[in-house]
Parts: sequence; C-alpha cells; structure tokens
Amino acid sequence: DAKTTQPPSMDCAEGRAANLPCNHSTISGNEYVYWYRQIHSQGPQYIIHGLKNNETNEMASLIITEDRKSSTLILPHATLRDTAVYYCIVIFSRDDKIIFGKGTRLHILP
Amino acid sequence: NAGVTQTPKFQVLKTGQSMTLQCAQDMNHNSMYWYRQDPGMGLRLIYYSASEGTTDKGEVPNGYNVSRLNKREFSLRLESAAPSQTSVYFCASSEDRALGWNTEAFFGQGTRLTVV
Repeated sequence: DAKTTQPPSMDCAEGRAANLPCNHSTISGNEYVYWYRQIHSQGPQYIIHGLKNNETNEMASLIITEDRKSSTLILPHATLRDTAVYYCIVIFSRDDKIIFGKGTRLHILP
Repeated sequence: NAGVTQTPKFQVLKTGQSMTLQCAQDMNHNSMYWYRQDPGMGLRLIYYSASEGTTDKGEVPNGYNVSRLNKREFSLRLESAAPSQTSVYFCASSEDRALGWNTEAFFGQGTRLTVV
C-alpha cells in the first residue's frame, strides 16, 4: 500500500499559487518525501524532494511539517502547463520497493 | 543523451502471444524499474533491478519476467499475454538503489500495449 494520502483532485486559478497537500503519518526518520508529476500520459517527471527541511528549486517549494507527518508542494504561479497528476511518494533511503499512490489531479483554470 | 528509451511505443498482441519490452538508459544508472499504469490509476511496480545481475519482484509481478542484460538494458517479457495485461508500461532508472534516493529518477515515454 502507498504510504501517502492525497486528495484525488484540486482546482487552481491560473497565476495563483497551487498548494498540494500530502499526508504521510507513518513516515520514519530516514524516509524522504518526493514529488513527481505526470502530464497527460507521459512518463512521470521529478519535481522536488526533501527529508526534514523545506526545499525550493526552480519548479516548486516543498514544505514539510515539523513532525514530518505531512507536507505541501507549492507551485508559486500556476500555469495551464502545470495541469497534471501530482504524486507524493515516501522513499526509505534503502527501500527498493517504491510505491506510487493515485496522486492528485490538478486542474489549472484559465 | 537520450535518457531512458523504450521500444516499442505501441503494440497489439493476441491473447497467448509473447513479447519483450525493451528499455535502455544511457546515464550509467545502477537501478532500473518497470511499472504499469492502467487507465485512471497510478503506477504499479512490476519488477526492479538494483544493479546489474540482480532483479526483484514489485507489487504486481505475476505474468511477467525480466532480464537485466547489462547495466544499460532492462527488458520485460510477457510469456503468454492476457487481456488483463493491457496497460501502459513505463521503464525508469535512477542512480542509486531507491528510486530517486537523494537523486531524481528518469522515466521513459511508455509502451502502450493492447492485448485482444
């Protein structure tokens, strides 16, 4: 079973920040949180990952709560090209079985 | 630098036929993976290979076999195709054992397989 829980779908207005939540209440101390997205039926694309601290790159920001039981992916200025399914994945540093959940389908509204 | 290349992109099989899906990566990655994705669903791990010469079962291995031919190539074989194996198949690779452990994973563009 997936180790994460995400809402099945969300809407966001174009130009606004999209905040995608993820619950991972069973996460342990050395497990990373990763975010990928899948546009249409293409192969998934890496977005960002983190362990304890908040992270930012050119695509997004990742906010991880202090207890690490949940996180939020932030797309600061959503565009129509950000319409995709977003997957939050918890990865144990030496776990070979990486499980995708069903993700959140993000709709960007013009 | 092509990344992860899957062949073929599309395939139609008759029930009972066999075929091999090919995957090659040119990034010198240790780990490679095969996933399937059914309509409206997330990706499910079929098999993975942490290094050349090793393979392990994922969530849904039944009906499939794999071969890690060398560091570059990881093939997925359907010995006797069934309609339930109609799906989109994705291959992925990453530098370390865990998919994207402290590094990102790269996915191919998928093979769309229909079994009639």
